[in-house]
Amino acid sequence: SYALTQPPSVSVAPGETARVSCGGSNIGSDSVHWYQQKPGQAPVLVIYYNNNRPSGIPERISGSKSGNTATLTISRVEAGDEADYYCQVWDRSRDRVFGGGTKLTVL
Amino acid sequence: EVQLVESGGGLVQPGGSLRLSCAASGFSVSVYYMSWVRQAPGKGLDWVSVLYTGDTTDYADSVKGRFTISRDKSKNTIFLEMNSLGVDDTGVYYCARQIGDLNPYDYWGQGTLVTVSS
Repeated sequence: SYALTQPPSVSVAPGETARVSCGGSNIGSDSVHWYQQKPGQAPVLVIYYNNNRPSGIPERISGSKSGNTATLTISRVEAGDEADYYCQVWDRSRDRVFGGGTKLTVL
Repeated sequence: EVQLVESGGGLVQPGGSLRLSCAASGFSVSVYYMSWVRQAPGKGLDWVSVLYTGDTTDYADSVKGRFTISRDKSKNTIFLEMNSLGVDDTGVYYCARQIGDLNPYDYWGQGTLVTVSS
């Protein structure tokens, strides 16, 4: 089945830019969604359809795609951004596929 | 305000059964795809099952034949009947909604913990 690959962890200092990647063989033609999950909480949608932000999500959070990699970018990182981040697509069988998740640590 | 509230989790022995509920408010579960997504302790998100608006269903291979998703329109509630539970079924179970194909999960419940252990 289709697999999405994320780095297990990313670390950045406050005020810097964090980039979380999501690789997949079909990502170039897929719509990618991103979720943020803080400890003990449910996931929250932060980016949909590659680069769209739901209302209430700060402009510091953005999404992009290039080739077979999607990237979630968080600018001017704050302590409150520390969380696990998951990418998600639909594969050709209509299955919902999640990446393995990336733990963002703010140093 | 959209809300999803799960209940029904708990401790169950291997081979046992459990029925989870997801009560929705602020929208009708009849016009959304409703899914269950689980998360094993310390692990990532895994899609479990979906109930489409046309009442068709789909399941992950790992639960096919053991889990059944259903809907009570009068109560605006989704259920997940889980049978023949194994230790690998342990985790937090979330319900979440999608408006349709290719769309994201825009709202999630807070989750209910299922622990399968002897």
